[in-house]
Amino acid sequence: DIQMTQSPSSLSASVGDRVTITCRASQDIKSYLNWYKHEVGKPPKLLIYSASSLHTGVPSRFTGSGHGTEFSLTINGLQADDFATYYCQQSHSPSLPTFGGGTRVDI
Amino acid sequence: QLVLQESGPGLVKPSETLSVTCSVSGDSVMSSIYFWGWMRQPPGKGLEWIASLYIQGGTHESPAVRGRLTISKDASKNEVSLRLTSVTAADTATYFCVGGIGSYAAPPFWIDTWGLGTLVTVS
Repeated sequence: DIQMTQSPSSLSASVGDRVTITCRASQDIKSYLNWYKHEVGKPPKLLIYSASSLHTGVPSRFTGSGHGTEFSLTINGLQADDFATYYCQQSHSPSLPTFGGGTRVDI
Repeated sequence: QLVLQESGPGLVKPSETLSVTCSVSGDSVMSSIYFWGWMRQPPGKGLEWIASLYIQGGTHESPAVRGRLTISKDASKNEVSLRLTSVTAADTATYFCVGGIGSYAAPPFWIDTWGLGTLVTVS
């Protein structure tokens, strides 16, 4: 199994801040990495696929980068509705997708 | 726009069978674009993939539930279903129906659409 480790597990930030979340894979997954946002009471939403491709309708303040085993999600200019939990997910193995443990972004 | 809505029993007794269904609107469950799947989130924990079902009928199942799980789709009702037998308290979770983009055998893939989820408690 490919293990995904996110850090930090939680962080506190203010509106307007730049926030970076990292995700590490236990083996080389090339660029097969997705990012999701999950707000309480709402369905999770795809933000970034294939490490750096912005999903349709996602604001450009979200950027993804990385390759191999190290990845990051950056939010430039945190907005009020960005306070949520963010998950990375490896898409290298269709037979066993795995998620990171999540990063909760609080005010 | 694809919309997914789960429905489930709410409460299931240990050792019994959990059944949840997902009503799909905005596309057909026989679509050649999407694969269908189920994720779950135990209370206070993160997301866990449990199964995927592809247009050709192929499935992938998590080792955590393999042997207890059936994922299927009903074209006449435009629904995707999950059946999990011999449940324990460890199966208590919010179950999410998902529609994804990708193929059975090779990367990449991603989850394009999620349902709101349905909480199932085993007790």
